[in-house]
Amino acid sequence: GAVVSQHPSWVICKSGTSVKIECRSLDFQATTMFWYRQFPKQSLMLMATSNEGSKATYEQGVEKDKFLINHASLTLSTLTVTSAHPEDSSFYICSASAAGGIGQYFGPGTRLTVT
Amino acid sequence: RKEVEQDPGPFNVPEGATVAFNCTYSNSASQSFFWYRQDCRKEPKLLMSVYSSGNEDGRFTAQLNRASQYISLLIRDSKLSDSATYLCVVNDNFNKFYFGSGTKLNVKP
Repeated sequence: GAVVSQHPSWVICKSGTSVKIECRSLDFQATTMFWYRQFPKQSLMLMATSNEGSKATYEQGVEKDKFLINHASLTLSTLTVTSAHPEDSSFYICSASAAGGIGQYFGPGTRLTVT
Repeated sequence: RKEVEQDPGPFNVPEGATVAFNCTYSNSASQSFFWYRQDCRKEPKLLMSVYSSGNEDGRFTAQLNRASQYISLLIRDSKLSDSATYLCVVNDNFNKFYFGSGTKLNVKP
């Protein structure tokens, strides 16, 4: 199946700093990438959808100035959590889908802890 | 109303049992349907797509009922390794995926 990687797999940072998470599709061109957040024992929550070369579409309640998404190529999207706070601690997962493809493929996730 | 609804469970079944999950969706224009499996602290993995005619993959059978807007997943001869959370996912016309909250399955020896 299609492979999606994420980096880093886990990160601990201090409150007020920014953290960048990379999501790469390794063996296909991802026209659309999705960013999700999952708190413990809760379901995945879609944060934003990004199409290559255009601005991301954010879900209601997600601050676009806080969660910066860049999808500059068909194989790479980045999520930057700016001025992170402890309440941003969560499991961030990206996924990617190809044009005309079925389903979406998930990266392994990034566990963010803000102290 | 949520786009996709699932019974959160948990479903506790013995090895070898047959277990079925249902999922309902609200958008009648939904195009594609999937079941994903998520293990604790891991990312979701595609289990199978769901087709109108129903489809089977080994011990797993998925069915779609468009008239009633529900999707089902049947697992036969449950294994310990089937223990996970099963996510129902629905895709609309605009390449947007909606996730159910997941149904937790515990298969006991």
